[in-house]
Amino acid sequence: DAGVTQSPTHLIKTRGQHVTLRCSPISGHKSVSWYQQVLGQGPQFIFQYYEKEERGRGNFPDRFSARQFPNYSSELNVNALLLGDSALYLCASMIQETQYFGPGTRLLVL
Amino acid sequence: EDQVTQSPEALRLQEGESSSLNCSYTVSGLRGLFWYRQDPGKGPEFLFTLYSAGEEKEKERLKATLTKKESFLHITAPKPEDSATYLCAVQPVPGSARQLTFGSGTQLTVLP
Repeated sequence: DAGVTQSPTHLIKTRGQHVTLRCSPISGHKSVSWYQQVLGQGPQFIFQYYEKEERGRGNFPDRFSARQFPNYSSELNVNALLLGDSALYLCASMIQETQYFGPGTRLLVL
Repeated sequence: EDQVTQSPEALRLQEGESSSLNCSYTVSGLRGLFWYRQDPGKGPEFLFTLYSAGEEKEKERLKATLTKKESFLHITAPKPEDSATYLCAVQPVPGSARQLTFGSGTQLTVLP
């Protein structure tokens, strides 16, 4: 079975630009969460979606937004990029209380 | 505020030298405690879920235990392929979101 997939794998942007990251959950999983992981730290929760509805939001500015589609895939959008947004962005799909993570998208903001 | 603290930050072991990693947590109510393994540049890989104090789970050379304030990940006779960062996370009870609060991880290096 395919695991969680994310695209792109790597991305380089400049300050002020906008970025869209994509995630496809494991087949049959209806919940998707997004996390940001800065080098040397654990992942930090950004959003959770279940059945296309936002179920939770972490302590991130309004520049961060997300949505979930009818096929349960998800997009994370970040506007007005800052240098501090450089990180590994992880998507996780959940079933029976366990979250399974994808490989992540490495974002570098210059 | 939910908090997770992992120690040590880094650990170097010789192959076959058993040890334990610690995860201390503070939550208003615990739905579950999770252990993940993360290799460099990759996403976390699920290892265990523990739900109540006294619970234990085992997988190959790894054994996870849980008390009301902390969890331990015991590594028995580790091999070089066990080298990775081990992350602990808690999922609190209140709320409909199943968000995880992670610690900063323990970077384990097993030398041949």
